[in-house]
Amino acid sequence: GAVVSQHPSWVICKSGTSVKIECRSLDFQATTMFWYRQFPKQSLMLMATSNEGSKATYEQGVEKDKFLINHASLTLSTLTVTSAHPEDSSFYICSAKVLRGLSTDTQYFGPGTRLTVL
Amino acid sequence: QKEVEQNSGPLSVPEGAIASLNCTYSDRGSQSFFWYRQYSGKSPELIMSIYSNGDKEDGRFTAQLNKASQYVSLLIRDSQPSDSATYLCAVNLDNTGKLIFGQGTTLQVKP
Repeated sequence: GAVVSQHPSWVICKSGTSVKIECRSLDFQATTMFWYRQFPKQSLMLMATSNEGSKATYEQGVEKDKFLINHASLTLSTLTVTSAHPEDSSFYICSAKVLRGLSTDTQYFGPGTRLTVL
Repeated sequence: QKEVEQNSGPLSVPEGAIASLNCTYSDRGSQSFFWYRQYSGKSPELIMSIYSNGDKEDGRFTAQLNKASQYVSLLIRDSQPSDSATYLCAVNLDNTGKLIFGQGTTLQVKP
């Protein structure tokens, strides 16, 4: 149990375009999902907390107008990188917190999306 | 600023040895602690969670928590080359659900 998927697994885009990344909890409901970014040789940095049916909470320094988050259902959150630039190239990983059943504060991670902006 | 500290390593151990990974955290109010393993190019996978002082064992893995010293560790017994990865310590802040990650310790298990 507790499987999280992400789509796409990798994407290459041109500078200035927008990219949407989907995060799905496949076998459980998640009221809360988290979006992280990881640059090479660095640890995960939390970008935002996504709550179903409400606005996302962004960490300090993360531009909410650039990284649009939508959490439309208990199993789906999306991250849209708008007007992407080469410095946005990174490994984007989502996680989902289990609503009930399993330990409720454990986060399960998706496989990640590698974004390359040319 | 709430922090989680780990030695980045690399920590190198021979196959079959015990690998000991350490982590300290700054927020005394932290309640939940996690160890994740991350292979190069992959996302983290949960190894263990621990909430109470003492030891928690799961197969070859033992997590140890000492809240008074603000210290959590992970022991890997009978280390295998397949255990070679980066191990991330994560701490759950009170009432937020957010995880703060350490920078990770790279473990190398040599055959």
